[in-house]
Parts: sequence; structure tokens; C-alpha cells
Amino acid sequence: GAVVSQHPSWVICKSGTSVKIECRSLDFQATTMFWYRQFPKQSLMLMATSNEGSKATYEQGVEKDKFLINHASLTLSTLTVTSAHPEDSSFYICSARDWDRVGYTFGSGTRLTVV
Amino acid sequence: DAKTTQPNSMESNEEEPVHLPCNHSTISGTDYIHWYRQLPSQGPEYVIHGLTSNVNNRMASLAIAEDRKSSTLILHRATLRDAAVYYCILGEETSGSRLTFGEGTQLTVNP
Repeated sequence: GAVVSQHPSWVICKSGTSVKIECRSLDFQATTMFWYRQFPKQSLMLMATSNEGSKATYEQGVEKDKFLINHASLTLSTLTVTSAHPEDSSFYICSARDWDRVGYTFGSGTRLTVV
Repeated sequence: DAKTTQPNSMESNEEEPVHLPCNHSTISGTDYIHWYRQLPSQGPEYVIHGLTSNVNNRMASLAIAEDRKSSTLILHRATLRDAAVYYCILGEETSGSRLTFGEGTQLTVNP
């Protein structure tokens, strides 16, 4: 089936630094990818829709200058958490859809810890 | 986005059937009913989806009420590996349409 690879699976960074998370569709092209954030014991919250070749669409309340999204190719979207702070510590998950198959495919997630 | 309501948690015994309910009284005519599940520390996984008719696949069955205001995900024989949070989500099947997750149902499977 469709595979979405997310890297890294976990990262620890110091407060004030930036972290980049990659999301790749391995066997299909994705003009649209989605980024979610999930805090412990909570559901997934959609942060933004990443569009290949154009600007991302952010959900209400998500700071676009803090969470930079780049979708430069049909198989790669990146999320950069800039000037990370401990409250940004969370589980970040990307998703994409292969329209030749049923359902959305999710990456395995990135556990970000900001110390 | 139309809202869904699910029980917070359910329990089942191994090898018994499980019926996970979902209410979606404000569903629109173009909304599909999607089910995903999430195991701990993993991304969600597609389970099944449907529009009006009941659906079956190798993982589960989806029973949709005639008025489409509710649906039930059926796991025919629960295994320990089915323990997860199950999300019922409404969404269109169009390019760029997005999934908005609710709180889901935490399914516990007892050996």
C-alpha cells in the first residue's frame, strides 16, 4: 500500500533552536499533505495543509511564522518548528493521500521534546 | 466540519465481536464516514469508509444507518492487536479534503 515516511522519529532540541521534520510519500505523488500535532492523551489537531508549489494553508490559531511548511516537490513536505520552546513539545504527524488507493496514509510521527 | 460523537472508551474480550458506535446527526449528503485507528505512539491507520451502503473489508465492517445519522464499526473477532483509539470522521472524497479528528473511542481488549 501507500507509504508515508516521516523523519526523524524523535528529536530533542534546546529551547530557542529550530527543528525540521520531513515527510515523504515513497510510492506515490502527493500534491497535498497534512500536518497534525498531538499532545499526550489528546486527539490529533490539524495544523496546516501543505500544497506542492504554493503556500501552506494554516488552521486558525496556528502561527505560520513559527511552523514553517515547505512542499517543494510532489513527494516531500517539511515542517520547521522555529525558535522552539518547551510548550512546542508534542507528537507531530504528517499525512497524504494516494488517490489510486483508499484512505489517507499517515507517517509514523515525530516526537519532539524541547528542553 | 460536521461533528461526530463517540463513547470515550469501550472494552471487549479477545475473539469476541466489537461494535463501536458513532453518531453524526449533522452529516451532509456528500460526507463519507471514515474510520481510522491509532495505536500508541504511532500515526493513525485507515480502517474503512463508506457513504450509504454497508461496507466490508479484511479489517472490519461498517454498518451505516438508513438515515446516515449514525454508524457502527464492527470488528468481527477482536484481538489484542486491535486495542487502539478508534476515530470516526466525516469528510468528502475530494482532492484536498482534510480529516478533522474528534476524541475517538479507546478500545481495550481483554485476554
